[in-house]
Amino acid sequence: QVQLVQSGAEVKKPGASVKVSCKASGYTFTSYDINWVRQATGQGLEWMGWMNPNSGNTGYAQKFQGRVTMTRNTSISTAYMELSSLRSEDTAVYYCARGSASYGPNLVVYWGQGTLVTVSS
Amino acid sequence: QSVLTQPPSVSGAPGQRVTISCTGSSSNIGAGYDVHWYQQLPGTAPKLLIYGNSNRPSGVPDRFSGSKSGTSASLAITGLQAEDEADYYCQSYDSSLSGSNVFGTGTKVTVL
Repeated sequence: QVQLVQSGAEVKKPGASVKVSCKASGYTFTSYDINWVRQATGQGLEWMGWMNPNSGNTGYAQKFQGRVTMTRNTSISTAYMELSSLRSEDTAVYYCARGSASYGPNLVVYWGQGTLVTVSS
Repeated sequence: QSVLTQPPSVSGAPGQRVTISCTGSSSNIGAGYDVHWYQQLPGTAPKLLIYGNSNRPSGVPDRFSGSKSGTSASLAITGLQAEDEADYYCQSYDSSLSGSNVFGTGTKVTVL
């Protein structure tokens, strides 16, 4: 079965960077796009961007351009999302989520369990 | 700020029918891009509920249905059950934002 297992919770200071990992199993990692979505406590879902694990091509939401980097290591079927210049408003649960065959990154079929990132001085 | 607007909350008694609207614009739903719906139970990751406007993934009860018309889409839940109490989000693609997926503002469904 498809599984996306994310790294554990992080606590960071303002101005620092965080890198969240997402290990995929149960399917061919390079065949499906990976999205990253975040959710602040009590708030809605916010799409951050996508990555094609085969080519490494990425697309980022305008809000995060310049601050977010999505990469992958195909040898271990793992995707990464790094967010820099952290501020308190970045405190949220970050999800990796796999796309679909028919819609590419524009339909999220499977979700990771989420990683809580807390930004606090 | 989301470009897809949903009502903050809807409620209904068990067995009733509720609908959730998702209003977009000419750069997303109105441009012909499909709408997908997700259910998020408290404390869990979202789950795909409806894809391609009206299709249910395997395992999703037929009590859930979706539709799309013009610049809006709707999710209907018939025969409301206690376990349907959750947050629901629509999602589509927006061509005006350098090519971005966009989520709706979210709707909390309460079973009375």
